[in-house]
Amino acid sequence: DAGVIQSPRHEVTEMGQEVTLRCKPISGHNSLFWYRQTMMRGLELLIYFNNNVPIDDSGMPEDRFSAKMPNASFSTLKIQPSEPRDSAVYFCASSERYEQYFGPGTRLTVT
Amino acid sequence: GIQVEQSPPDLILQEGANSTLRCNFSDSVNNLQWFHQNPWGQLINLFYIPSGTKQNGRLSATTVATERYSLLYISSSQTTDSGVYFCAVNNDMRFGAGTRLTVKP
Repeated sequence: DAGVIQSPRHEVTEMGQEVTLRCKPISGHNSLFWYRQTMMRGLELLIYFNNNVPIDDSGMPEDRFSAKMPNASFSTLKIQPSEPRDSAVYFCASSERYEQYFGPGTRLTVT
Repeated sequence: GIQVEQSPPDLILQEGANSTLRCNFSDSVNNLQWFHQNPWGQLINLFYIPSGTKQNGRLSATTVATERYSLLYISSSQTTDSGVYFCAVNNDMRFGAGTRLTVKP
């Protein structure tokens, strides 16, 4: 398997623009996680899905953030409108049971 | 919420040395995992270990759930072990701040 795939790998956008991050989990995994990593706050879980259903979105910072998982092989994290403080590395991970497998991350810079 | 503390924050070793990294947590846990983030940013799962002991090559981990801590042992360290080691607990994956390990040749 190719592992967890994330796109784009790098994104630079201007404040106020919409940003969409994409994730393809490992085939057969039934849980998917979105994380954000910053120097100030470290690694934070934003939201996770089980069998395509959002289970816990308490980590989503505010209404500007939304996540969807329309099917077992695809998820998106959308930020609208983006702000400079959203600059971070966003990771997607998937799991079959407990061990999580991370994608390479998307480095987002909002200017 | 649950607090997760890792120690030491930084560790510098000579290649071949052994080390112990610690993860303390403030409440009972049903899930504890150790991860390694390499210098290129990739996160790799090392262990799922809510209790007991596991070993994988030169790495092993022990969690004493009743005393609220977990230990990660690295033996005969190599330069490729460099990076940041994180523990994370529970279903909401509360991460510690990490231990930054540097292994010098």
